[in-house]
Amino acid sequence: GAVVSQHPSRVICKSGTSVKIECRSLDFQATTMFWYRQFPKKSLMLMATSNEGSKATYEQGVEKDKFLINHASLTLSTLTVTSAHPEDSSFYICSAISPIGGYEQYFGPGTRLTVT
Amino acid sequence: RKEVEQDPGPFNVPEGATVAFNCTYSNSASQSFFWYRQDCRKEPKLLMSVYSSGNEDGRFTAQLNRASQYISLLIRDSKLSDSATYLCVVNEWGSNDYKLSFGAGTTVTVRA
Repeated sequence: GAVVSQHPSRVICKSGTSVKIECRSLDFQATTMFWYRQFPKKSLMLMATSNEGSKATYEQGVEKDKFLINHASLTLSTLTVTSAHPEDSSFYICSAISPIGGYEQYFGPGTRLTVT
Repeated sequence: RKEVEQDPGPFNVPEGATVAFNCTYSNSASQSFFWYRQDCRKEPKLLMSVYSSGNEDGRFTAQLNRASQYISLLIRDSKLSDSATYLCVVNEWGSNDYKLSFGAGTTVTVRA
């Protein structure tokens, strides 16, 4: 299947700092990527849809000024959590649609963010 | 009402047993259906797409019932390695969307 990578896999930062998470499609071009967050024992919640070359589309309740998304190329989308707070601690996962096959979404390995 | 609902389980079954569980979805316009598997603290991985006619992949069988708006997953001859959380995922095509709605997952534990 298609391969999506994320970096870093785990990050601990202090409250008030910003953290950038990268999502890359390694063997295909992805015009659309998605960013999710997942709290323990909860389902994935879509945060935003990242479109290459245009502004991201944010889901209701997600602050676009806090969660900055940039999709500068067909293989890279970044999520920056600005002025992080402890309540932003979560598992952040990106996904990309592979044009091969049935347009299934393939997920990156996730980034575990802990804000102290 | 949640868009996608699953029985959270857990389903505790012995090796070799058959386990099955369902997922209901609320949007009748949903067009694509998937089962993903998620291991603890890992990302979801696609297990199988669910087709209208039902489909089978080895020990896994998925069914779709559009009239009652549910999909099912059946695992035969359970292995220890099948222990995971199984996520029901539903998609509704929009004009420029490909948004997935996730269930909260059904936990399956296979014991020796």
